[in-house]
Amino acid sequence: AQRVTQPEKLLSVFKGAPVELKCNYSYSGSPELFWYVQYSRQRLQLLLRHISRESIKGFTADLNKGETSFHLKKPFAQEEDSAMYYCALKNNYGQNFVFGPGTRLSVLP
Amino acid sequence: DAGVTQSPTHLIKTRGQQVTLRCSPKSGHDTVSWYQQALGQGPQFIFQYYEEEERQRGNFPDRFSGHQFPNYSSELNVNALLLGDSALYLCASSFIGTANYGYTFGSGTRLTVV
Repeated sequence: AQRVTQPEKLLSVFKGAPVELKCNYSYSGSPELFWYVQYSRQRLQLLLRHISRESIKGFTADLNKGETSFHLKKPFAQEEDSAMYYCALKNNYGQNFVFGPGTRLSVLP
Repeated sequence: DAGVTQSPTHLIKTRGQQVTLRCSPKSGHDTVSWYQQALGQGPQFIFQYYEEEERQRGNFPDRFSGHQFPNYSSELNVNALLLGDSALYLCASSFIGTANYGYTFGSGTRLTVV
């Protein structure tokens, strides 16, 4: 079964501190992993994809197949990073996403 | 480009009624997916339409049905509404050739069943 877990519902950090949002998945094939973000009063939007190995807004995420994880990291959090973050998995057969429950990141001044 | 547009933004219905939600995909996109997001949860996949046919379906009962029109817009219909159908319904569009780049989401329709 395909499943995405995000163990933290809420993560609070101070501005300038490192942040790591955890994501674990279960999938028997080769998954494609994504991070979506939803800022206050805005729509859900793509943050980054594991296959592009990119850094967006200072965030990076590495797919660890051994640990079945795709944690999102940023070395120095900014107040504008405060948002809801969703980890999502897309399988090779279908075109749909399986989303995790989300983690609310709150960056304190 | 207005991106993905959904209507209405909010809706209140009574148990047992039927509801139709509408979605216009982003210009250039040909695939529409629908998701249900209950309060405090991540979006759950309902189904996806491409070339006016249901291409894939999630674990939702037959009360949930849809349609895609030749202009790629789509409707989500829910019959015999239950209180548990109260949620934010999200429409997401993509182009079949570049789906790996992720989807563009609409702002959603907030459905409240009373």
